[in-house]
Amino acid sequence: DTEVTQTPKHLVMGMTNKKSLKCEQHMGHRAMYWYKQKAKKPPELMFVYSYEKLSINESVPSRFSPECPNSSLLNLHLHALQPEDSALYLCASSQGEGLANLAKNIQYFGAGTRLSVL
Amino acid sequence: ELKVEQNPLFLSMQEGKNYTIYCNYSTTSDRLYWYRQDPGKSLESLFVLLSNGAVKQEGRLMASLDTKARLSTLHITAAVHDLSATYFCAVEDTSGSRLTFGEGTQLTVNP
Repeated sequence: DTEVTQTPKHLVMGMTNKKSLKCEQHMGHRAMYWYKQKAKKPPELMFVYSYEKLSINESVPSRFSPECPNSSLLNLHLHALQPEDSALYLCASSQGEGLANLAKNIQYFGAGTRLSVL
Repeated sequence: ELKVEQNPLFLSMQEGKNYTIYCNYSTTSDRLYWYRQDPGKSLESLFVLLSNGAVKQEGRLMASLDTKARLSTLHITAAVHDLSATYFCAVEDTSGSRLTFGEGTQLTVNP
């Protein structure tokens, strides 16, 4: 099973709302990632968690707040977003960040949450 | 900073024809990925290329990696309509932490 599950699939929120995106995997992966993808553009890395600790924050605005409650779950808390934050938010997981010698440290992606900020 | 360039960005081809998508990257890496994305969908892993000279094939798609030239190719043989999608190459940095994606190649296969 190489499934990464993201909820919700679609989310519409106002600029004053607080909402959360959820990502779950049961593959025993120890690295989890958030990406943002605008229409017709490649995914852009936002955050990386390794062994439940934040290891990379790609200078993401503080209105995006990641959380990794345990090794299977990754959340992205959203607050006071702007319309330009509307995008597809993708979660991914892999066996372990930084395992450059591991033959198949493939990142598996979830289906994404399509977010619209009004 | 690692940069990844794909070309072409748009490709319209007829069924039955062959074509190649190119992916160049700017700094040393020994791991390159090809992903497929259908409109409104997530990324599907196609190939992972781990070493110089690696070649992998799945159906009508074949991917290769030349780490010395910093070049990967995705070759399409006898295209069919079902291959219509956007194809991304992605290069992993040497720490194994970051994937940098190319801009994507939007492929349309016409009957």
